[in-house]
Amino acid sequence: RKEVEQDPGPFNVPEGATVAFNCTYSNSASQSFFWYRQDCRKEPKLLMSVYSSGNEDGRFTAQLNRASQYISLLIRDSKLSDSATYLCVVSPIASSYKLIFGSGTRLLVRP
Amino acid sequence: NAGVTQTPKFQVLKTGQSMTLQCAQDMNHNSMYWYRQDPGMGLRLIYYSASEGTTDKGEVPNGYNVSRLNKREFSLRLESAAPSQTSVYFCASSEVSGSVWTALGSISYTFGSGTRLTVV
Repeated sequence: RKEVEQDPGPFNVPEGATVAFNCTYSNSASQSFFWYRQDCRKEPKLLMSVYSSGNEDGRFTAQLNRASQYISLLIRDSKLSDSATYLCVVSPIASSYKLIFGSGTRLLVRP
Repeated sequence: NAGVTQTPKFQVLKTGQSMTLQCAQDMNHNSMYWYRQDPGMGLRLIYYSASEGTTDKGEVPNGYNVSRLNKREFSLRLESAAPSQTSVYFCASSEVSGSVWTALGSISYTFGSGTRLTVV
């Protein structure tokens, strides 16, 4: 079983739609959680951290459910520019700053 | 511009050849990493250096060696390239704000633009 699992997609949605991605992680002791965005053939970039209380950044909302060991990302009012691969990322408690990356969920936003 | 610089951007090697991927960061980060990314596999950690003078194996270290030359530079060497090492390689550096063990802690990774390596 992979440490971090994501639905690869693609999720194909029209502009303005709301779309949600989930991610599950296997290490119950994991402490830090993130969503990264990766555009085609580019490097990953931090989208947002995920806090226990949930957090929002504009059209993006991240939630953490420790009991079920999953993380979610909600994107409201999708834009064409949101088309990318979204990587779920977890930091295991036993590691010093190492991050474990999911294989990503691909989002396509169509006009 | 501040960030992580990787060279080369593209490389084709023949099986058995050796090469070194270079990485340098100018953000004064302590930790640096080498990842490889393959289709459907996500990013997998090859080696990392928590601080200058230290290096440790990651998830897939076989066939690679690293050198933390100084605080800025972290190189990855393929001694005898194999087709299985065809991949996209990313270098990254990180800082930690707050405490990573609390909800307010956050690790911020900055990645280089990647090296596309093909071994034939």
